[in-house]
Amino acid sequence: SQQGEEDPQALSIQEGENATMNCSYKTSINNLQWYRQNSGRGLVHLILIRSNEREKHSGRLRVTLDTSKKSSSLLITASRAADTASYFCATGSAYNFNKFYFGSGTKLNVKP
Amino acid sequence: DAGVIQSPRHEVTEMGQEVTLRCKPISGHNSLFWYRQTMMRGLELLIYFNNNVPIDDSGMPEDRFSAKMPNASFSTLKIQPSEPRDSAVYFCASSLVENWVYNEQFFGPGTRLTVL
Repeated sequence: SQQGEEDPQALSIQEGENATMNCSYKTSINNLQWYRQNSGRGLVHLILIRSNEREKHSGRLRVTLDTSKKSSSLLITASRAADTASYFCATGSAYNFNKFYFGSGTKLNVKP
Repeated sequence: DAGVIQSPRHEVTEMGQEVTLRCKPISGHNSLFWYRQTMMRGLELLIYFNNNVPIDDSGMPEDRFSAKMPNASFSTLKIQPSEPRDSAVYFCASSLVENWVYNEQFFGPGTRLTVL
């Protein structure tokens, strides 16, 4: 499977702490994206990182990509209760244009 | 922009009935995706269109599922006949693809389908 797989499956932290989620994948990618899903809602795009990039920042979010290890990480700094959600990585296939594979997600719970 | 619009938001039907889900992508986007999300299988890509043409439908579970995109502003996903195992949340997403460059996908709010 080309699916990205997130790790851990669930993460519970206190407000103000940092949260780190990891994503591993199996085949070559064109890009990798991270999405957030609040309970009962659609997915919201967070960051897209292309295969020739190593790190990207957006506000309190930092994404790294290591294509040699076929892995990515999402770091949320100074977490807030509102960050409670499921986080998914999606890998864009290098072979199949515009086809994305979503992992099973990390469920983050930020306790106030 | 109103974002991706899906209808209905909730659908409850009986086994054997036909179900039609509708999606209006963001104006100007040229790619459209249908996903299904369940607890057991997670988020699965069913089919995607580029410039109204189906590019890959390998994720469509079986012949009971069909999808159409008659124009750039409308797509349907049809299940006929529906079965209880089709119960899931169905998402539509759209994206703008330029010069074969990937971009983010914008998701609709989803249709929660329950087949009794």
